[in-house]
Amino acid sequence: EPEVTQTPSHQVTQMGQEVILRCVPISNHLYFYWYRQILGQKVEFLVSFYNNEISEKSEIFDDQFSVERPDGSNFTLKIRSTKLEDSAMYFCASSQAGITDTQYFGPGTRLTVL
Amino acid sequence: LAKTTQPISMDSYEGQEVNITCSHNNIATNDYITWYQQFPSQGPRFIIQGYKTKVTNEVASLFIPADRKSSTLSLPRVSLSDTAVYYCLVAMNYGGSQGNLIFGKGTKLSVKP
Repeated sequence: EPEVTQTPSHQVTQMGQEVILRCVPISNHLYFYWYRQILGQKVEFLVSFYNNEISEKSEIFDDQFSVERPDGSNFTLKIRSTKLEDSAMYFCASSQAGITDTQYFGPGTRLTVL
Repeated sequence: LAKTTQPISMDSYEGQEVNITCSHNNIATNDYITWYQQFPSQGPRFIIQGYKTKVTNEVASLFIPADRKSSTLSLPRVSLSDTAVYYCLVAMNYGGSQGNLIFGKGTKLSVKP
């Protein structure tokens, strides 16, 4: 069964550093998403991406965040200057169609900002 | 977006049927009801989705009454491995816009031997 993959599984960084989280969505999917989950809290939507542009973003997704699909397979989330409060699990998801289609989530990247 | 309310936690024993009910009183005509499962330190996993009446797959059943103001996820004969957090989501079809999923706190199901 095809699945969403994410790398790395765990990233440790110093405050102020840039990080890039990588995702490989399911190959025939057209819609891509990033979510995050701070330890013990809810899963929160960050951004959705379709046709090489952002479709929707939340208040969390400020100017420090950016997304990119650099090639035909990868989907990346960049945090330009990490803060302590960016420490969380970051989940990538993809779906074939829009909101009523199933979103398949990756295993997540645990980001720890020191 | 429709707000959902579900129990914070539930306990069950292996082999029992578990029913988790979710309230969504202000569900809109275009809203679908979707349930996800999440194990610790893993991404949410889709379980089932429905619009009305009953939907069944190999994992669960979803019961939706005629007024659609609530829904019930039914897990037959749970095992220890079903211990997880279960999320009820109401996702609106924005008609071309790729909307996000709004997760609540979910129901933490604990299955005991």
